[in-house]
Amino acid sequence: KAGVTQTPRYLIKTRGQQVTLSCSPISGHRSVSWYQQTPGQGLQFLFEYFSETQRNKGNFPGRFSGRQFSNSRSEMNVSTLELGDSALYLCASSGGQTNTGELFFGEGSRLTVL
Amino acid sequence: AQSVTQLDSQVPVFEEAPVELRCNYSSSVSVYLFWYVQYPNQGLQLLLKYLSGSTLVKGINGFEAEFNKSQTSFHLRKPSVHISDTAEYFCAVKVAAGNKLTFGGGTRVLVKP
Repeated sequence: KAGVTQTPRYLIKTRGQQVTLSCSPISGHRSVSWYQQTPGQGLQFLFEYFSETQRNKGNFPGRFSGRQFSNSRSEMNVSTLELGDSALYLCASSGGQTNTGELFFGEGSRLTVL
Repeated sequence: AQSVTQLDSQVPVFEEAPVELRCNYSSSVSVYLFWYVQYPNQGLQLLLKYLSGSTLVKGINGFEAEFNKSQTSFHLRKPSVHISDTAEYFCAVKVAAGNKLTFGGGTRVLVKP
């Protein structure tokens, strides 16, 4: 069974640009969550999508947005990038027929903002 | 709201020695507890979880943790570490309904030969 796949793995952007990150969950999982990891703030919850609906949202500005498609794949978008948005963005999926309550993480997309 | 405190930011330990990573949490409702490990340039891998039942939980790679409700703790232990256990370890909690994990700040374990 394939794991959580995130693309791209690495990317470099400049301030003011926007970026879109993609996440394909484990087959059968309907919940996709996004987290931001930085050295200063650690791991912080961005948002969760379930069946194409945002179910929960963290304390991030409106520049951070996401969506989920009917096949459960999810994208997150960051507009008007700032230097502080440089981080590892992790996607996690959960659910499915044998929901064990745990989240399965992808390897992340490392964003560098110059 | 929930919060998680990992009391040690770094733990150096010699190979084959035991290690304990401390985790305390705060929550007004029942929570599920998790320990994840992160190797360099990788995502998070689940070590073990506590959902209910026995308070002593065994995980992968020889790790175990004990849930202590009265002390609101979930400390992680391994009796004998290997060089390959060098990584960052995260304690996390979530409520039963929903998939929002609240993480501790992480503990870097450096295993020395």
